[in-house]
Order: sequence, then structure tokens, then C-alpha cells
Amino acid sequence: AAGVIQSPRHLIKEKRETATLKCYPIPRHDTVYWYQQGPGQDPQFLISFYEKMQSDKGSIPDRFSAQQFSDYHSELNMSSLELGDSALYFCASSSRVANTGELFFGEGSRLTVL
Amino acid sequence: RKEVEQDPGPFNVPEGATVAFNCTYSNSASQSFFWYRQDCRKEPKLLMSVYSSGNEDGRFTAQLNRASQYISLLIRDSKLSDSATYLCVVNRLYNFNKFYFGSGTKLNVKP
Repeated sequence: AAGVIQSPRHLIKEKRETATLKCYPIPRHDTVYWYQQGPGQDPQFLISFYEKMQSDKGSIPDRFSAQQFSDYHSELNMSSLELGDSALYFCASSSRVANTGELFFGEGSRLTVL
Repeated sequence: RKEVEQDPGPFNVPEGATVAFNCTYSNSASQSFFWYRQDCRKEPKLLMSVYSSGNEDGRFTAQLNRASQYISLLIRDSKLSDSATYLCVVNRLYNFNKFYFGSGTKLNVKP
């Protein structure tokens, strides 16, 4: 079965650079989520999209933006990168009409800011 | 205060032991409940959905107590491969289908 696809898997950037992460949700899932997970922490919710519209916003810095495109893939854009942005970034998708409605995660994109 | 609270552990248990984790949630409007397993530097993966009637999957049993707003996970006959962090996750469909995470409970199963 198709899973959530994220790219790139690993990314190394310098401070003040820009990074873009991509996510392809599971087909027919209507909601996409972005999470940031630092070492030893639980996933922190950044932002979500329902049917390509931003549905909720969490602790996403103003330097970050995200969108969901007509083909349902989503991108997280991060600018003016800081050392503290180094983390695992997970994309996840879910379906509101699915029987159990659980969250499916991609394998994550590991960002290292030097 | 976090919406979902878990004991971070670590729980250090020998192989074959039975171990139980609890999790409490603060919002009674929460609708769906899950246990996820996360291995180091990997994505969380669904272990079990949790139902009011309780559910069992092999060595794993999950219970939900809506009145007391807590969820439990019981692991019997622990295996070395059970070593991981277990995340309690709660969903509120009518709050933008938002998922709330506990901080995770770390389990170390020792030989």
C-alpha cells in the first residue's frame, strides 16, 4: 500500500539559508500535517491542511511557510535557517472519513543546520 | 499543561516481563485514541487504536477509560524488540482533526 512519501530524507544547510521539504500524502487522504521533532522530544505540530486549505496552525515560526498543491502534495519552506531548526521533520496524513482515522507518518526529513 | 500526559520513563524491564503504561488526557471532547511506537530516529508507527471496550493484539492490550480520561497499554512477555518509545496520541476530529501527542514513554527491555 502507498505510504506518505517525504523528500529529501536528509538535508544539510548553513545558517540563514533556505530549505524546502516535500510531502506526498497517502492517496485520498484529505488532511496533511507537518511536525517538527527535536532530539528527545515528542513531535511538535507545525501546520495542517484540509483539502488544500490551511486548517490549523501550531508552533510554526514566521520564517516557515507551507502550502498544499492541487495534486495534494505539500511543501514546507524554511527560510533564514537557525541552528535550532535542526530536527526531524515529519509529514503525516489522515482521512476524516476513514473508519479509524489514524495518522500515517512519512519517514521524515532530517535537517541539519550548520 | 499538555493535553496528553505520559510518564517519560524509562521503564527498564527484563525480557518476559509484563509492563504497563498509562496516559491521561485533559479534554473530554477527545474522540479517538491511539498508541504509536517510535524507534530512535524513525517515524512513529501505529501500534494500536484504543476503543472503549478495550482491545487486544497478541501481547498488547489497550484500554480506554473515558470517565477518568486515561488510556493504558499493557505489554506481556516483553521482547528485546519491544524497546522503543511509546507515544499516546489523542484526536479531536471537530478541532480541525487535530492530533495531540504525549511526550512518550521509553521502554528498555533487557536480556
